[in-house]
Amino acid sequence: AQTVTQSQPEMSVQEAETVTLSCTYDTSESDYYLFWYKQPPSRQMILVIRQEAYKQQNATENRFSVNFQKAAKSFSLKISDSQLGDAAMYFCAYRSAFTSGTYKYIFGTGTRLKVLA
Amino acid sequence: DAGVTQSPTHLIKTRGQQVTLRCSPKSGHDTVSWYQQALGQGPQFIFQYYEEEERQRGNFPDRFSGHQFPNYSSELNVNALLLGDSALYLCASSLSATGWNIQYFGAGTRLSVL
Repeated sequence: AQTVTQSQPEMSVQEAETVTLSCTYDTSESDYYLFWYKQPPSRQMILVIRQEAYKQQNATENRFSVNFQKAAKSFSLKISDSQLGDAAMYFCAYRSAFTSGTYKYIFGTGTRLKVLA
Repeated sequence: DAGVTQSPTHLIKTRGQQVTLRCSPKSGHDTVSWYQQALGQGPQFIFQYYEEEERQRGNFPDRFSGHQFPNYSSELNVNALLLGDSALYLCASSLSATGWNIQYFGAGTRLSVL
């Protein structure tokens, strides 16, 4: 069974600085998808960034980028130029490739990010 | 374009009661998944509905059941409520025809069981 581990329960970053959130996962599959979701106090999970396992190039979305290390089963999220609005819980999620017939997301336990003014 | 909407936002029940939570998917989406998020934890997959059938189920007892309607909206029913059922229940919708099958989440229903 696949598992997702986020070993940092809480992180802090100064406004305008850069922070990296860690995520590791365990799987025997070769094709899968990885996601980072943000959950602000409003509770609604918002997709931040996504990565396909067979793509070597790291995904980037504006100030958000990932460091995807497939062999190490690591998928970290880097937030550059942190803003007060980035403060939230961040969840790493795994999903098997569509063709496997597995549709569920497997989430980590989350990292609470605090942004200091 | 309305996103995923869930109702009610908050609910208080007592042990042994039954509850129904509702979800309307994002426009154009045909698949609905339900997750339970206990306090301080990540969401746990309950089940997914596609074409009005339960397509996949997580490790939840039969007290948890669901339904999907022809308009793709969905309900989650929980019978014989336990204190441990207190959690945030999240609904997510997606479009199954796409490889990514990205799930878009609602704001959830906070269920408190007393």
